[in-house]
Amino acid sequence: GDSVTQMEGPVTLSEEAFLTINCTYTATGYPSLFWYVQYPGEGLQLLLKATKADDKGSNKGFEATYRKETTSFHLEKGSVQVSDSAVYFCALHNTNAGKSTFGDGTTLTVKP
Amino acid sequence: EAGVAQSPRYKIIEKRQSVAFWCNPISGHATLYWYQQILGQGPKLLIQFQNNGVVDDSQLPKDRFSAERLKGVDSTLKIQPAKLEDSAVYLCASSLDRTGPSGGYTFGSGTRLTVV
Repeated sequence: GDSVTQMEGPVTLSEEAFLTINCTYTATGYPSLFWYVQYPGEGLQLLLKATKADDKGSNKGFEATYRKETTSFHLEKGSVQVSDSAVYFCALHNTNAGKSTFGDGTTLTVKP
Repeated sequence: EAGVAQSPRYKIIEKRQSVAFWCNPISGHATLYWYQQILGQGPKLLIQFQNNGVVDDSQLPKDRFSAERLKGVDSTLKIQPAKLEDSAVYLCASSLDRTGPSGGYTFGSGTRLTVV
């Protein structure tokens, strides 16, 4: 079945550092890929998405590129802020099956 | 537009008791999902409704969990009797159609259940 693997956390960075959170996936067909963010005590919020190979999703300074050849969707941000501290989930949606699969999340803490 | 509403936000019960969670999806969203998120893990699908019919309940522990979506709008998820391992956040999400999140899910804030 489908699966999503995220780099294990927690990740701790200083403010203005560069962020990369790795995500790789296994899926049949051509899934859509997503990053969600979960702030403490809240539900998941969609951060960005990409629906086909080589698409780049971006939002709030975060970017991720759909790499079919490496089955990856790594999240990047050039300069993190304290307010970016949260848990980040990579996910895929298999349109044929109508099902989504989530990674286990990566906790990011940004220190001033 | 109003988001996905869930209640209660928190619930503490003893094992073997019963509990119910409520979800009101975004108006007009045909598909509703219940996810279970255990601490340190990603959400796992419990059940998916299309309007008021069940599309997928293959991961729902039917001996103790039940869910309904009367009239294709609000939904209720029930656990009876609860076990310690049911401690988790229960998330409700909705989307416009079955193919789901071409635009991504909209999640509610969740109900945090603690079974003691």
